[in-house]
Amino acid sequence: DAGVTQSPTHLIKTRGQQVTLRCSPKSGHDTVSWYQQALGQGPQFIFQYYEEEERQRGNFPDRFSGHQFPNYSSELNVNALLLGDSALYLCASSLWSVTDTQYFGPGTRLTVL
Amino acid sequence: EDQVTQSPEALRLQEGESSSLNCSYTVSGLRGLFWYRQDPGKGPEFLFTLYSAGEEKEKERLKATLTKKESFLHITAPKPEDSATYLCAVAGANSKLTFGKGITLSVRP
Repeated sequence: DAGVTQSPTHLIKTRGQQVTLRCSPKSGHDTVSWYQQALGQGPQFIFQYYEEEERQRGNFPDRFSGHQFPNYSSELNVNALLLGDSALYLCASSLWSVTDTQYFGPGTRLTVL
Repeated sequence: EDQVTQSPEALRLQEGESSSLNCSYTVSGLRGLFWYRQDPGKGPEFLFTLYSAGEEKEKERLKATLTKKESFLHITAPKPEDSATYLCAVAGANSKLTFGKGITLSVRP
């Protein structure tokens, strides 16, 4: 059983560019959450998708947007990249329940120059 | 706003030297407290979920406990392969996870 997968593994962009990160959830899961983890910090919640809709959002600007597809996979888009967007971006999948455990993918390391 | 504080920030142990990691939290209606292990440059790996005060869970050398204000991750006779960052997170009235900064554990042979 494949766990959560993310692509690409690493990405280097320059300021002002746009980036798209991809996530495939664990088999049987219908909910995808995205997190940003800066070096030395815990993950910070960006948003969560269920039934192809954004259900919850953390304190991130509108430059961060996402999408969920009918097969439950998801994309995270970041526009007008800033140096401060450099981080490990984590995708987590779960069932739609406040008590369900979220399982994380390996992450995408984004470097903005 | 949900908050999680983990202490200490870093912990160095000798192999076999047992210790505990602390996670203090404030949350509006705790729905679950989660412990994860994270190796450098990788995604967090799930360890335990605790739902109510008094609950305990064990896995190999690790034991997690929960009270109304904090959780402990006890490590018994640690080995060098237990070296990692341990993250604590809470889920409140929604399923958004709020994480602490993590505790970096180093176990020397």
